Amino acid sequence: AQTVTQSQPEMSVQEAETVTLSCTYDTSESDYYLFWYKQPPSRQMILVIRQEAYKQQNATENRFSVNFQKAAKSFSLKISDSQLGDAAMYFCAYRFRMDSNYQLIWGAGTKLIIKP
Amino acid sequence: DSGVTQTPKHLITATGQRVTLRCSPRSGDLSVYWYQQSLDQGLQFLIQYYNGEERAKGNILERFSAQQFPDLHSELNLSSLELGDSALYFCASSVGETGNSPLHFGNGTRLTVT
Repeated sequence: AQTVTQSQPEMSVQEAETVTLSCTYDTSESDYYLFWYKQPPSRQMILVIRQEAYKQQNATENRFSVNFQKAAKSFSLKISDSQLGDAAMYFCAYRFRMDSNYQLIWGAGTKLIIKP
Repeated sequence: DSGVTQTPKHLITATGQRVTLRCSPRSGDLSVYWYQQSLDQGLQFLIQYYNGEERAKGNILERFSAQQFPDLHSELNLSSLELGDSALYFCASSVGETGNSPLHFGNGTRLTVT
């Protein structure tokens, strides 16, 4: 079964510091996508970053980067120079192809607290 | 702003009742997805429609149903509500049919069943 595990229910970091959020997944597929979504208090789900499994290079979006370890089935998110606006729930998601459609499996989320 | 509109934002109702949640997808998107997010949980996929037709089904209860209309807006109907149905219900839209294109999420409808 495809599963996504976020082992940190809550993380806190000092403003301007760096924080890493963990995500592991279980799959037998070789072709898939991984995502990090941010859900601020406004509740909207916002795509932060995505990674294609076939790409060895780690994805980067400004202050956000991932450490993708395919063999270990690990996909952590690093946020550099944390800002107050980064405070949110962060969800890791895994997308794979099943029959003629793609399915998204979500982790339970990590609440990120930014200390001023 | 994702361009996806969900109404209402909040809904409070009693057990046994029926409610309808509405979603207008982003302009140009043909697929609509419905997700349920219970407290401190990730999203659970309920159902997907593409251009008016049911495309994929997830963990949707028989008490729940959905449809997508010719103007592409979608409605999620929840009936015989139970306390456990209290959750945030998200709608997302995408251009494509197979889920290979990015999802754009609405702000969700908070349903409270008392």
